[in-house]
Amino acid sequence: AQSVAQPEDQVNVAEGNPLTVKCTYSVSGNPYLFWYVQYPNRGLQFLLKYITGDNLVKGSYGFEAEFNKSQTSFHLKKPSALVSDSALYFCAVRDAPYSGGGADGLTFGKGTHLIIQP
Amino acid sequence: KAGVTQTPRYLIKTRGQQVTLSCSPISGHRSVSWYQQTPGQGLQFLFEYFSETQRNKGNFPGRFSGRQFSNSRSEMNVSTLELGDSALYLCASSPFGQGRGYGYTFGSGTRLTVV
Repeated sequence: AQSVAQPEDQVNVAEGNPLTVKCTYSVSGNPYLFWYVQYPNRGLQFLLKYITGDNLVKGSYGFEAEFNKSQTSFHLKKPSALVSDSALYFCAVRDAPYSGGGADGLTFGKGTHLIIQP
Repeated sequence: KAGVTQTPRYLIKTRGQQVTLSCSPISGHRSVSWYQQTPGQGLQFLFEYFSETQRNKGNFPGRFSGRQFSNSRSEMNVSTLELGDSALYLCASSPFGQGRGYGYTFGSGTRLTVV
């Protein structure tokens, strides 16, 4: 079975400061990990993914995430926040095919509201 | 390159009716997944289709069904609608089944309201 936890419902950051949105996961096999962002009344926009390779993944709009296998975490980060980053952020996971896990679709966390204050 | 297209964008139905939602994936993508998003339950996986076959299914009742056509377009159907089916239904496409590391591109969704 696969699961994702986003422990913070809301994160408040001042514009220009670094931001972190936390995510921990659980899978049976190896993880495929994703971050998506959602603006009001819109679908999900892809930010970045970890499949294999370097633990530090760089994505769209200056975001990056670090895969930490021992802590089963995949926190989203950005060095300098913009007001336009304010949105709902989702972490998602699925078992990599043929890695010993199931064949489910993406499992999403509950989402974290990121609020960037001017 | 056109993105994932979902139609209609908004829909209002009455309890007991049935509804069909449509999703056209990115050209060349062969996998289509469906998700339900509600304030209470968040984003939940409904099913995934690849090459016209349902590959995976989430924990939803049999009233929720889907299919995929030879051109990879997909439809999902909900029969005997309940108030709790009110949600944003999102479709996602991927080049191959089970993600295979290529990730998923989501459409803007269909907002279904059941009254």
